[in-house]
Amino acid sequence: DGGITQSPKYLFRKEGQNVTLSCEQNLNHDAMYWYRQDPGQGLRLIYYSQIVNDFQKGDIAEGYSVSREKKESFPLTVTSAQKNPTAFYLCASRLHQGQPQHFGDGTRLSIL
Amino acid sequence: GQQLNQSPQSMFIQEGEDVSMNCTSSSIFNTWLWYKQDPGEGPVLLIALYKAGELTSNGRLTAQFGITRKDSFLNISASIPSDVGIYFCAGQAGNQFYFGTGTSLTVIP
Repeated sequence: DGGITQSPKYLFRKEGQNVTLSCEQNLNHDAMYWYRQDPGQGLRLIYYSQIVNDFQKGDIAEGYSVSREKKESFPLTVTSAQKNPTAFYLCASRLHQGQPQHFGDGTRLSIL
Repeated sequence: GQQLNQSPQSMFIQEGEDVSMNCTSSSIFNTWLWYKQDPGEGPVLLIALYKAGELTSNGRLTAQFGITRKDSFLNISASIPSDVGIYFCAGQAGNQFYFGTGTSLTVIP
């Protein structure tokens, strides 16, 4: 079954801890994206990657890091430097430039 | 990065009524997209528009790419309870996508 898989669905972070959110796609999409969604707001871009081993900062990259070692995978690490990490995180991918994005089902991160 | 101006912010309508929402931007986009998001889920693509002036339908949904390339409209006809959710517009420029703040739709049976 093709698609974009985000895991876990829910994640809890202790103060000072780094956590990693997983995003995997088997659609052979070139580009992958990470967004943060806060209540009542639109999606804000954290990082995106157009090809393997390359990624660019989005509008709110501070306190986050990513890697793109494989085309199918684009994990997001929320570091302890991110002081307000509680949010809904969405991963998306698209096939080629000009094609629309498709989204995973999201990971909700909360602070303990 | 910019966020698009999407209106209305919320709508409460009776089942069977038609719905209209729109999105405007200060920038030109090459592609306009409309998504629907259910609570706790990721957005699902409803309609993609690729050309200025284009009018595209998907069942009861119809969307238009404004001729100035700075706006787009989504209409839902004969609303049903499962239309409930948040609708987002998105504009694409280059490799990035810019999103509206969403329209929350409530359908009263």
